[in-house]
Amino acid sequence: TQLLEQSPQFLSIQEGENLTVYCNSSSVFSSLQWYRQEPGEGPVLLVTVVTGGEVKKLKRLTFQFGDARKDSSLHITAAQPGDTGLYLCAGGDNQGGKLIFGQGTELSVKP
Amino acid sequence: NAGVTQTPKFQVLKTGQSMTLQCAQDMNHEYMSWYRQDPGMGLRLIHYSVGAGITDQGEVPNGYNVSRSTTEDFPLRLLSAAPSQTSVYFCASSYGTAPPPYEQYFGPGTRLTVT
Repeated sequence: TQLLEQSPQFLSIQEGENLTVYCNSSSVFSSLQWYRQEPGEGPVLLVTVVTGGEVKKLKRLTFQFGDARKDSSLHITAAQPGDTGLYLCAGGDNQGGKLIFGQGTELSVKP
Repeated sequence: NAGVTQTPKFQVLKTGQSMTLQCAQDMNHEYMSWYRQDPGMGLRLIHYSVGAGITDQGEVPNGYNVSRSTTEDFPLRLLSAAPSQTSVYFCASSYGTAPPPYEQYFGPGTRLTVT
């Protein structure tokens, strides 16, 4: 059974601080996705990383896929209150409708 | 486009009752999935479908049934509700021409409480 472990589970920081969220597995994934979810809504895709070692940037967010395709990280620079939400990583198993999700990281950015 | 719609938004059931959670999408996506979200456990796949007439089980299928008679609709049936099924349920659709996995488009969720 493929599992994804996210850490930390909770993160409370001040506006302007940097942070990193980790997503780790003992299994190899064909790709990893990162989603962001706001209260009362469904998750929304931020990025998909598909190549080992790949780095993608989305404004102040930097996503990295591990060389062995078993782990990924999300780094936020100069966090803002608008970054508050639940961040979820999800690994693909080569079937279009099947994703394995991590348990999520709840981020709170205080002004 | 309305995207993925789910009804109802909230539901309270008594133990043993049955009900159907509705999900519809107007994007002509071939893949549709049902997830449940519980605190500290992320999203867990219940059932999914790769096209009309084709369904398969996910990680936590027990107590739930699905069918996919059309591309647009993917209802989730709770056969005999149990308190352990108290959760937030999300329906999602996806499509793609490149190798999977594909971006999941999620509905707004149904919050279910079983007493």
